[in-house]
Amino acid sequence: QLVLTQSPSASASLGASVKLTCTLSSGHSSYAIAWHQQQPEKGPRYLMKLNSDGSHSKGDGIPDRFSGSSSGAERYLTISSLQSEDEADYYCQTWGTWVFGGGTKLTVL
Amino acid sequence: EVQLVESGGGLVKPGGSLRLSCAASGFTFSSYSMNWVRQAPGKGLEWVSSISSSSSYIYYADSVKGRFTISRDNAKNSLYLQMNSLRAEDTAVYYCARSNAWGQGTMVTVSS
Repeated sequence: QLVLTQSPSASASLGASVKLTCTLSSGHSSYAIAWHQQQPEKGPRYLMKLNSDGSHSKGDGIPDRFSGSSSGAERYLTISSLQSEDEADYYCQTWGTWVFGGGTKLTVL
Repeated sequence: EVQLVESGGGLVKPGGSLRLSCAASGFTFSSYSMNWVRQAPGKGLEWVSSISSSSSYIYYADSVKGRFTISRDNAKNSLYLQMNSLRAEDTAVYYCARSNAWGQGTMVTVSS
């Protein structure tokens, strides 16, 4: 069964970097995923598609501060130079099959 | 610019029906599979249904199978979700989504 696992919460200081993790269940390590951001009281926003080899393609207008990488079954979203508006929920989702992770709530300290 | 605009949400009694619409613009609608995703209050994202570009392939989450029907009209650049036999647990914001774009959502509340 395809399952995406995310830590419920993460925190980092203003101006620092943070790396969020999405783990694909056993047997699904080759899957591409998408990362989405949901700011408080807003709808989701597509950030990027991330392939198993770490290559990624970002959505229109997504700042360079957002990047993706992969290692085995893990998919990462790195946000550098954290800003207050980066405080949001971040969801991973399998590309093309719409299975979502539980989301990570990022707090910017 | 890609735009997806949902409408049709509201308050409905348990057992009632509602039809959601999504108006698409800024891209060739007929070339894309489309999806409905929902989010219950305080919860995460839950996929509801998908439809292929020509309506040949349709999929539903087990939680809505037999009660919801997804459809599209490529001539009108529109996506629909017919929701019947609504339950309290269907209360959520419903989003229209393409693989890399989201609408702003429409709220559906099922309550007596």
